[in-house]
Amino acid sequence: KNQVEQSPQSLIILEGKNCTLQCNYTVSPFSNLRWYKQDTGRGPVSLTIMTFSENTKSNGRYTATLDADTKQSSLHITASQLSDSASYICVVRGTRGSYIPTFGRGTSLIVHP
Amino acid sequence: DAGVTQSPTHLIKTRGQHVTLRCSPISGHKSVSWYQQVLGQGPQFIFQYYEKEERGRGNFPDRFSARQFPNYSSELNVNALLLGDSALYLCASSLRLDRAFFGQGTRLTVV
Repeated sequence: KNQVEQSPQSLIILEGKNCTLQCNYTVSPFSNLRWYKQDTGRGPVSLTIMTFSENTKSNGRYTATLDADTKQSSLHITASQLSDSASYICVVRGTRGSYIPTFGRGTSLIVHP
Repeated sequence: DAGVTQSPTHLIKTRGQHVTLRCSPISGHKSVSWYQQVLGQGPQFIFQYYEKEERGRGNFPDRFSARQFPNYSSELNVNALLLGDSALYLCASSLRLDRAFFGQGTRLTVV
């Protein structure tokens, strides 16, 4: 069964600090992995996409890593801002035969001033 | 260009009623997917339509149905509403079956 597990479930950090969110998956065969940011009451917005051959990808203060061998990904947020407070969702998509994406439950991040 | 638009934004229904949620995809996008997101959980896949045909169905009861129209807009219908159907219903559109752009969602409350 395809699964995506995220940790921690929730995280509270001070403004300006860094943090790392984890995503482990069992989706196979693997096509791509996306990290989404979802503000409260809003739809998710894509931050990064990682394919099998990519190890690291950055989008501003967000850096995602992927280890396809261990089926793990991380999202590192640098110099956090209050606006980073949101839920971060890891989504893994299989290849054409299993293209329906599998969503993680998300990590709820709260950035305090 | 407008993004994915969903209507209504909020809705309150009583148990046993039915509900119709609507979604207009980004112009040019031919695929629409529906997701249910219960508070504190990640989105759960319900349906995906591409070129007006159902391409995928999640693990939801037959009370849930959907369709896609010739203009690629879509409706999600839920019959015999239960309290547990209370959730944020998200619609996402994509050009084919790739990157999804999400709407703001419809918050359904069943009382």
